[in-house]
Amino acid sequence: VVLTQSPLSLPVTLGQPASISCSSSQSLVHSDGNTHLHWFQQRPGQSPRRLIYKVSNRDSGVPDRFSGSGSDTDFTLIITRVEAEDIGVYYCLQGANWPTFGQGTKVEI
Amino acid sequence: EVHLAQSGGGLVQSGGSLRLSCVASGFTFSNSWMAWVRQIPGKGLEFVTNINEDGSRNSYVDSVKGRFTISRDNGKNSLYLQMNNLRAEDTAVYYCARDPGYAAYDVWGQGTMVGISS
Repeated sequence: VVLTQSPLSLPVTLGQPASISCSSSQSLVHSDGNTHLHWFQQRPGQSPRRLIYKVSNRDSGVPDRFSGSGSDTDFTLIITRVEAEDIGVYYCLQGANWPTFGQGTKVEI
Repeated sequence: EVHLAQSGGGLVQSGGSLRLSCVASGFTFSNSWMAWVRQIPGKGLEFVTNINEDGSRNSYVDSVKGRFTISRDNGKNSLYLQMNNLRAEDTAVYYCARDPGYAAYDVWGQGTMVGISS
């Protein structure tokens, strides 16, 4: 399964919204009924951190300005108001099949 | 606090071997699937291998099959990655991660750099 993220580079303005798309080459709906598409943030020099699991479930401690949506093959991560600490690279990851990551989207000022 | 502490890694010559370790704390390690994920410098993330709770099941990305071995010692809350016959293309930062299911990696180690020189 190939995950294609867009854009690969996202210039942002603090306080403004940002959106990242993740498109899958095949449906990510598993036979268990769940859609195993997750989002991760990697700040410069840090390990990845999970933000969202199964499309839209926000992890504990993740600000509510982050949200995930989508279904089947098309998914979106939205930051409603970008803050300075949000700078980094964002990856989608699918676990419905052999795990594969998107290429990453670099969010920068 | 849930934590994964990694060790091992370094610089070796092509064809050499390295062993990475990952010690878990703050959760029941023996109940957790675990995985290794790597990141080529300046590039994206790639799943390498995973292992089930008791170590009886695992899977590997094709590029490391026959060269890398994942294992665990639940008595020591430890995960290992034995890497043999290392190639230049294995140069990367390697992360251990807890997998609560379907690659939803919710806890990550700090990463360890593996460099292969020719």
